[in-house]
Amino acid sequence: GQQVQQSPASLVLQEGENAELQCNFSTSLNSMQWFYQRPGGSLVSLFYNPSGTKHSGRLTSTTVIKERRSSLHISSSQTTDSGTYLCALEMGNNRIFFGDGTQLVVKP
Amino acid sequence: GALVYQYPRRTICKSGTSMRMECQAVGFQATSVAWYRQSPQKTFELIALSTVNSAIKYEQNFTQEKFPISHPNLSFSSMTVLNAYLEDRGLYLCGARDWDSNQAPLFGEGTRLSVL
Repeated sequence: GQQVQQSPASLVLQEGENAELQCNFSTSLNSMQWFYQRPGGSLVSLFYNPSGTKHSGRLTSTTVIKERRSSLHISSSQTTDSGTYLCALEMGNNRIFFGDGTQLVVKP
Repeated sequence: GALVYQYPRRTICKSGTSMRMECQAVGFQATSVAWYRQSPQKTFELIALSTVNSAIKYEQNFTQEKFPISHPNLSFSSMTVLNAYLEDRGLYLCGARDWDSNQAPLFGEGTRLSVL
C-alpha cells in the first residue's frame, strides 16, 4: 500500500549470507509487525515491534519511529528461510496496512 | 493459548453467487476484527475494520453492499462476498485483537476463494 514501502521486492542469496529487508512508512504508526507468509498463504508472526530492536534466533527486527523505517535482518540464511516476508504497519486508528512483500530465495 | 480460526479454508463458488466466511477467536476477546483480501500476485488489502459497539468502517473500494460483515459478539465475525466474480478471488484473512491487552493482533489462516 501507499502507506508502506517494502524493499527489496525480491532477493536471492547463497546459503550463509545475511539478508536485510526494509520497510519505510509515510505516516505515524502505533506498531510494526513482520510476517513470514507460508506457501499456502497463512501468516507466521515474526515480530510485533512498536519501536527499538528485538531478537529471535537468527532474526532481528529494528523499528526507528522518528526515521519512519523498520528492518528485518536474517543472519546466516538457510534454504528453509526462502519465502515471502511481509511488514505490516498499524496506524493510530487501528487500521493495518501491509507492504508488498519481499520474495526471498536462499540457494544451497 | 489465543488463536483465530477461519473457515472454510478453501471454497469455490460460481460467478455471480455469494460466499460466507467465518472467523472465530478462541482464548481472547475479539474487541476488533479486521478483514483483508490478498488477490493473486498482490499484498493484503484492508477491507474493513469492525470494533464492538462501533460502526464497521470500510476502506475505499470496498462497500458494505458487496462485503457485508457481522460482528455480533467478542468471539465471532463473518463476512460475505456477494455476487462474486473473478476479481474477488484470493485469500481472505481475518485479524482480531483484544484492546484491553497490549498483544499484537492475531490472524487466522485465511479462506481461499476461487470463482468459476
